[in-house]
Amino acid sequence: KAGVTQTPRYLIKTRGQQVTLSCSPISGHRSVSWYQQTPGQGLQFLFEYFSETQRNKGNFPGRFSGRQFSNSRSEMNVSTLELGDSALYLCASSSDGTYGNTIYFGEGSWLTVV
Amino acid sequence: AQSVSQHNHHVILSEAASLELGCNYSYGGTVNLFWYVQYPGQHLQLLLKYFSGDPLVKGIKGFEAEFIKSKFSFNLRKPSVQWSDTAEYFCAVTSGSARQLTFGSGTQLTVLP
Repeated sequence: KAGVTQTPRYLIKTRGQQVTLSCSPISGHRSVSWYQQTPGQGLQFLFEYFSETQRNKGNFPGRFSGRQFSNSRSEMNVSTLELGDSALYLCASSSDGTYGNTIYFGEGSWLTVV
Repeated sequence: AQSVSQHNHHVILSEAASLELGCNYSYGGTVNLFWYVQYPGQHLQLLLKYFSGDPLVKGIKGFEAEFIKSKFSFNLRKPSVQWSDTAEYFCAVTSGSARQLTFGSGTQLTVLP
C-alpha cells in the first residue's frame, strides 16, 4: 500500500511569493495533518483536516492555510513568503485522526525562500 | 499545554554499545506515546508506539521503550547499536482530545563503526 505522497519534493521561492504544497494520504486515511520542521524550532504542528474540515490548528500566522478535498488529498498554502518560512513541510495521515491512531509521515517538501 | 523533553541532543556511541535515549512529557491525563526515527535524507518513520497495556513496548529494528507513568517518561532503548542506527530520534505524544503530535526537540545519534 502506497505511503503518504508529497509534491513537490524541493522548491525555491522568492520572498513575497506564495507557495502551494500537495499531499496524498495513505489510501483509506481520512485525516491529514501538516507539520513544519526547522533546525531552530523542531517539528511544529500546523493544522489537521478531516472530511474537508479543519479540526485543529497550531500557532502559526494566517499566512499559512490549508484545505482538504473530498478524496482526502490535502494542500497547504503559504502566502507572502518570508525567509523564516524556509523549512521541511511534512504531511501526515491517519485513518480517522482519533486519539489512539498511528500517524504516518510523508517524505516532506523542502521549501527554500530566498 | 503538553510538552515533550528529550534530554540528550547528541549522542555518540561505538557499535555494539547499549543505547538509552530519554524522553519526558508533561501532561496529567492519558497519553499516547511514540518514537519516530529520521535517517539522513529520509522521512520520519515510526519506531514504536504505546497506547495502553504492557508498558514495555517493542518496535522495529530491535528497539524497545518503557512507559513509566509515575515518572512521565518513555525512554528508548536498544541493547546493541549498529552503524546503520545513525539517525535523529524524536519522541512524540498525543493526549486528551488533541489529535496532533507534540514532538520533542530530537536526539541525533551517531554510531561510530
